[in-house]
Amino acid sequence: SAVISQKPSRDICQRGTSLTIQCQVDSQVTMMFWYRQQPGQSLTLIATANQGSEATYESGFVIDKFPISRPNLTFSTLTVSNMSPEDSSIYLCSVGEGGYGYTFGSGTRLTVV
Amino acid sequence: DAKTTQPPSMDCAEGRAANLPCNHSTISGNEYVYWYRQIHSQGPQYIIHGLKNNETNEMASLIITEDRKSSTLILPHATLRDTAVYYCIVRVGHTGNQFYFGTGTSLTVIP
Repeated sequence: SAVISQKPSRDICQRGTSLTIQCQVDSQVTMMFWYRQQPGQSLTLIATANQGSEATYESGFVIDKFPISRPNLTFSTLTVSNMSPEDSSIYLCSVGEGGYGYTFGSGTRLTVV
Repeated sequence: DAKTTQPPSMDCAEGRAANLPCNHSTISGNEYVYWYRQIHSQGPQYIIHGLKNNETNEMASLIITEDRKSSTLILPHATLRDTAVYYCIVRVGHTGNQFYFGTGTSLTVIP
């Protein structure tokens, strides 16, 4: 299965600033997704990162707040913009190649103060 | 929205079988049942999936009822390293679609 490198692993940010999270995969993958996991909660899908086109966002998530890039089949970024304490979460990248079990990164633990 | 119901927590003695139930009474004919687990501070890990037949791999067994409205994940000999949150997910098809996570079952393996 694919190996995912997600950076940074954790960060503490000031409210009102933005953070860009990187997801690098060791092989070309068709599907890439971004999830959020708020403290003590399950995972919530933010969006599907589409190569060469705009990301597809789930209900409740908008591009202005969570812009996503996917310049090629091995890399994607998620930006958390104009952060507030409510954005404190773990953000996870997930990839799939059309097989059955998708692979998840270890996540970025974000704290907004 | 998640289409599965799981008990919020369970305990299991080390070395015994852990049986984790999942209800998916509204499952459609083209939806597969998947199981993932998330060990503390790590990303979710794929365990197993099935459509209607029982499945077994090196990690676990999946038992799906004949009407497909429920399933059970079986860890045959639970170890302390199996302590995790286990998620049961139904998904249309087996490729190219997103996973929507429910609330999961927090399994604690007791020494």
